[in-house]
Amino acid sequence: ETGVTQSPTHLIKTRGQQVTLRCSSQSGHNTVSWYQQALGQGPQFIFQYYREEENGRGNFPPRFSGLQFPNYSSELNVNALELDDSALYLCASSLSGLFGYTFGSGTRLTIV
Amino acid sequence: DQQVKQNSPSLSVQEGRISILNCDYTNSMFDYFLWYKKYPAEGPTFLISISSIKDKNEDGRFTVFLNKSAKHLSLHIVPSQPGDSAVYFCAASAEGGSNYKLTFGKGTLLTVNP
Repeated sequence: ETGVTQSPTHLIKTRGQQVTLRCSSQSGHNTVSWYQQALGQGPQFIFQYYREEENGRGNFPPRFSGLQFPNYSSELNVNALELDDSALYLCASSLSGLFGYTFGSGTRLTIV
Repeated sequence: DQQVKQNSPSLSVQEGRISILNCDYTNSMFDYFLWYKKYPAEGPTFLISISSIKDKNEDGRFTVFLNKSAKHLSLHIVPSQPGDSAVYFCAASAEGGSNYKLTFGKGTLLTVNP
């Protein structure tokens, strides 16, 4: 049973650019959630995808968007990057939103 | 406005002793609480959870206590082991037992000394 894998592990972007982060969910999981963890903070909910539809969103602007594919993998897209977007981005998968999430190791995004 | 608060950024205990990590919340709609453990360079790992209809849940060395009237929960680790050294996050959900839209605290760094 494979866990949640995220790519890339580290990324450096310039302010104003766009970025795409990728996540492969754990086998058998159909729900993917994305979280942003800034330095010294706990993870903050961005949004959740279930069966390729966004079914919940946290307090993040529209420049944060996502996709879920038929194989339940997912992408997080961020446009017009700002310095405050520098954070660890965590993807988590679960079966229909139940039980504990399985988190990936995250993508460390640095904006310069 | 922080709805889940872990007021101790760090905790240090001796191997074999009890570790008690505390968490307070302000949102009375929270009905499901979870603890996650995080090692450096890894994602958080689910540890234990508790529904608001219970006041205690136990799993091996880990026990979570919930005091709804005080809006307080705690994680007890007995006995503590050096491998338990990690950051522990308290999280809460208001979605009837699912882990949808978790609200996390800032975490407590636990160090267990041999």
